[in-house]
Amino acid sequence: NAGVTQTPKFRILKIGQSMTLQCTQDMNHNYMYWYRQDPGMGLKLIYYSVGAGITDKGEVPNGYNVSRSTTEDFPLRLELAAPSQTSVYFCASTQRGGNTEAFFGQGTRLTVV
Amino acid sequence: DAKTTQPTSMDCAEGRAANLPCNHSTISGNEYVYWYRQIHSQGPQYIIHGLKNNETNEMASLIITEDRKSSTLILPHATLRDTAVYYCIVRSLNAGGTSYGKLTFGQGTILTVHP
Repeated sequence: NAGVTQTPKFRILKIGQSMTLQCTQDMNHNYMYWYRQDPGMGLKLIYYSVGAGITDKGEVPNGYNVSRSTTEDFPLRLELAAPSQTSVYFCASTQRGGNTEAFFGQGTRLTVV
Repeated sequence: DAKTTQPTSMDCAEGRAANLPCNHSTISGNEYVYWYRQIHSQGPQYIIHGLKNNETNEMASLIITEDRKSSTLILPHATLRDTAVYYCIVRSLNAGGTSYGKLTFGQGTILTVHP
């Protein structure tokens, strides 16, 4: 059981470039989340999805876009990368309808230079 | 979601119990208390959660006060590998609410277990 898988693990982008952070889960979870974590800080919610075709903004959505075409995948798109987007990005998923735990991926460390 | 307040850092001797407090005085009836930890820069790891009763699993115990305004995570025999940032999170499970299921992270408590 792979759980939540994020790719890539590391990436360096130049200012203005774009990229997609991939997240996939094999637990058939309805709810998926994207967080970012800046050094020494807690995680902040970027976007979340409650099911295929349904997404919504979190605390810090500016500069990002998401889509959810399948239950398994929840990619995060960065357009026009900026140094302020240098961070570690975590994807998480959880089942709907119960007080269950959320599972996190191992993160993508992104540096924008 | 209710906010939580935790001490910035705590120390614990290896083999002793680590008691991590959390204040969540504005918690509402449909909100659970969750604890996660993060070792180095890995993805957060689930520890335990509860609504109003005390809970215990293989990792830890969770003690929630009767008024639910605070809780304590107990690691009964801390090891060096328990050194991590511990997050106390209040999570809404009110189905249909806009905050359903979301985990809102604060700064957490840096627990250092020393020999």
